[in-house]
Amino acid sequence: EVQLVESGGGLVQPGVSLRLSCVASGFTFSNFSMNWVRQAPGKGLEWVAYISLSLNTVYYADSVQGRFSISRDNAKNSLLLHLLNLRGDDTAVYFCARAVRDCSGGTCLPGTGMDVWGQGTTVTVSS
Amino acid sequence: SYELTQPPSVSVSPGQTARITCSGETLPKQYAHWYQQKPGQAPVMVMYKDDQRPSGIPERFSGSSSGTTVTLTISGVQAEDEADYYCQSADTSDTYEMLFGGGTKLSVL
Repeated sequence: EVQLVESGGGLVQPGVSLRLSCVASGFTFSNFSMNWVRQAPGKGLEWVAYISLSLNTVYYADSVQGRFSISRDNAKNSLLLHLLNLRGDDTAVYFCARAVRDCSGGTCLPGTGMDVWGQGTTVTVSS
Repeated sequence: SYELTQPPSVSVSPGQTARITCSGETLPKQYAHWYQQKPGQAPVMVMYKDDQRPSGIPERFSGSSSGTTVTLTISGVQAEDEADYYCQSADTSDTYEMLFGGGTKLSVL
């Protein structure tokens, strides 16, 4: 079964750091680019960060640029998100999501859609 | 930065057709994808690259694109289709940015 399982969330005070993890199973993790997406309470989805399958390309939403860092360990089938200097508006459920892989003529490239999602881990930033 | 605009809510009766729109200036150049999210659950992709239905998604779900608007159509709506629906696209012109629409609450009356 293809699965993503997040962990690492919790209740933290403003200004502290946190590390979220996402462990993949049921597919070849190193063949897929990955994303983090978050959802504040009662709000919509917000893309946070992207990392390519080969680790050489990362992108961030403007709202987290310079404070969050995405990384991956293909040997451990894991995706990480380091959250630094947390603020109240970072309070959200954080989902990891697999980027679709578009294959044609023997070549596969990451698409912009997200076809597999974890159940999410909740981060609450409050004093 | 750009935006994707969705209606906040759509209501239909069981068996009717629901159409949820998503508008954005980059949609003529970028594919759109759709996700269904039920309360307390993770999103599920229900449409990919405007009109491609992922494996396991019922045939009553279809997608289309015209100019700056993409549409998710659910024919013969069932009670289980009641959920929030989000469109999503990307802007890869200058950098790489993915954006979600604000979401549409589909109510099955």
